[in-house]
Amino acid sequence: ELKVEQNPLFLSMQEGKNYTIYCNYSTTSDRLYWYRQDPGKSLESLFVLLSNGAVKQEGRLMASLDTKARLSTLHITAAVHDLSATYFCAVEQGGSEKLVFGKGTKLTVNP
Amino acid sequence: DVKVTQSSRYLVKRTGEKVFLECVQDMDHENMFWYRQDPGLGLRLIYFSYDVKMKEKGDIPEGYSVSREKKERFSLILESASTNQTSMYLCASSPPGLAGVYEQYFGPGTRLTVT
Repeated sequence: ELKVEQNPLFLSMQEGKNYTIYCNYSTTSDRLYWYRQDPGKSLESLFVLLSNGAVKQEGRLMASLDTKARLSTLHITAAVHDLSATYFCAVEQGGSEKLVFGKGTKLTVNP
Repeated sequence: DVKVTQSSRYLVKRTGEKVFLECVQDMDHENMFWYRQDPGLGLRLIYFSYDVKMKEKGDIPEGYSVSREKKERFSLILESASTNQTSMYLCASSPPGLAGVYEQYFGPGTRLTVT
């Protein structure tokens, strides 16, 4: 059974600082997705990582995938308040159409 | 842009009522999903459908059923609502997996309260 673990689950950081969110998963997969959810809103796709070594960047967020270690990271550079949200990673289950989601990391960026 | 819509943003129902949650997508996606989201538990898959009239149970199907009579519409049915079904319900759709990519697109969610 595929399990996806994120850590930390809660992250409070100051503006201007850097930090990394980790996403570990338990079985082989080449596909990993990152989503963002603002309070009271739905999930918005951030990144799709399709192979080992994949790296995607948008603004202050950079995601990477190491399929051998079964690990993805979401790195935040020089955080700003607008990045406050909950971030989810999701992994494809056995090449099927289904995704298994982590529990989410609630990020709060304080001025 | 992919658009996934859900029939209600907020819904209040009484225990024992039959509840219908509707989801419509406009991108001709084969796959559609229903999740519930609860604090501390993340997203849990209730049911998914990979074609019209086809469905598969997810991780927590008990107390729920689904219907997909048309490709664009996927309905979640709570046969007899109970208070432990109070939750945020999210619908999603995904294309048939171009190059093995099953990125899911989410609707705005329905916050259901069962009293």
